[in-house]
Amino acid sequence: GQNIDQPTEMTATEGAIVQINCTYQTSGFNGLFWYQQHAGEAPTFLSYNVLDGLEEKGRFSSFLSRSKGYSYLLLKELQMKDSASYLCATRKLSFGAGTTVTVRA
Amino acid sequence: GAVVSQHPSWVICKSGTSVKIECRSLDFQATTMFWYRQFPKQSLMLMATSNEGSKATYEQGVEKDKFLINHASLTLSTLTVTSAHPEDSSFYICSAGRLADHEQFFGPGTRLTVL
Repeated sequence: GQNIDQPTEMTATEGAIVQINCTYQTSGFNGLFWYQQHAGEAPTFLSYNVLDGLEEKGRFSSFLSRSKGYSYLLLKELQMKDSASYLCATRKLSFGAGTTVTVRA
Repeated sequence: GAVVSQHPSWVICKSGTSVKIECRSLDFQATTMFWYRQFPKQSLMLMATSNEGSKATYEQGVEKDKFLINHASLTLSTLTVTSAHPEDSSFYICSAGRLADHEQFFGPGTRLTVL
């Protein structure tokens, strides 16, 4: 089965850095995804980690530790448009409940 | 590339009627499509996996006779909500994957409101 946990909400100011943690328990792990979802819209792909370590992609980075069942999404230089829900999901497409990030001026 | 469309984007219907939602992969072939439902402020819940040319695989607790899925071609899957009731009102999202990579491409979603 799949069990994914992430914080419900986080608030930060423009220009700041936010780290969203995700822990998972899954049978047959085959990669972890991060998606961004703005209210009323479908999720958009941010990152995919299948090996341990940090993957950097512009202002967003994602980290994975398979032994710990742990991942985080790091958002740097926050902008107002980054206010959204961030979902982590395992390869078998089980989604966490999402972390709503609110960016304040 | 890798665009997935859904139609309609929103629909309002009366209780007891059936509603069909289409999911199309516009520029790639998708042997597998996924249907999700999302209630306000909740995460996506996988309803079923749609396989081209075979029966869909439903997640536990999802009534297959109520949510009919047809995946007639490599670019089209349909979800029909039969005898819809107000509790079926939700945001329905499909996604499709390519064989070549790991990424799932999501459609824009269909907001269903049952009166």
